[in-house]
Amino acid sequence: DGGITQSPKYLFRKEGQNVTLSCEQNLNHDAMYWYRQDPGQGLRLIYYSQIVNDFQKGDIAEGYSVSREKKESFPLTVTSAQKNPTAFYLCASTPGTGGSTNEKLFFGSGTQLSVL
Amino acid sequence: AQTVTQSQPEMSVQEAETVTLSCTYDTSESNYYLFWYKQPPSRQMILVIRQEAYKQQNATENRFSVNFQKAAKSFSLKISDSQLGDTAMYFCAFRETSGSRLTFGEGTQLTVNP
Repeated sequence: DGGITQSPKYLFRKEGQNVTLSCEQNLNHDAMYWYRQDPGQGLRLIYYSQIVNDFQKGDIAEGYSVSREKKESFPLTVTSAQKNPTAFYLCASTPGTGGSTNEKLFFGSGTQLSVL
Repeated sequence: AQTVTQSQPEMSVQEAETVTLSCTYDTSESNYYLFWYKQPPSRQMILVIRQEAYKQQNATENRFSVNFQKAAKSFSLKISDSQLGDTAMYFCAFRETSGSRLTFGEGTQLTVNP
């Protein structure tokens, strides 16, 4: 079955440590996104990528980094500069990159990151 | 920048009754797309319904329908014959026609009581 796989489901970070969240899709989608969700709040966009080897900052990119070396993969690194990383992280994708389409987002099942 | 506002943090409804969730948005664009997503306790995001701004007819999907008021920049979701499985966080979202990013509201936690 096609879909988006996020791993791990739960992740713990120590102080000063960088951690990487994995996101893989086999839908052949061009665009991929990372969202952060805090308890009782909506989703905020961290980074997005519309094409391989290119990505743009979202609304809350500070303390995060991404890469898009392959179409199917869009890993997110939470760096030590992110002082409040505890949140639920959702990866998503869409077939195209915008334009006159009402494409929906396909979501992964998320990664819960907590600080030890 | 576009903003999406959901003014009802929590709502509850009795099973089989009807409930309406509110959403307003701010944009200078004339054409765009609006979405309602559902997030049950599993935290999996599920698309409920979507609306294209240039279409005047309100979208419907089985028990779910929207009331789209473009001039008022309002996009409410009506759930008819509420079921226990409708208990979830509901998010309103906005997307420009020319862009690929989706902007979400803060969500409304809906509880359906037996």
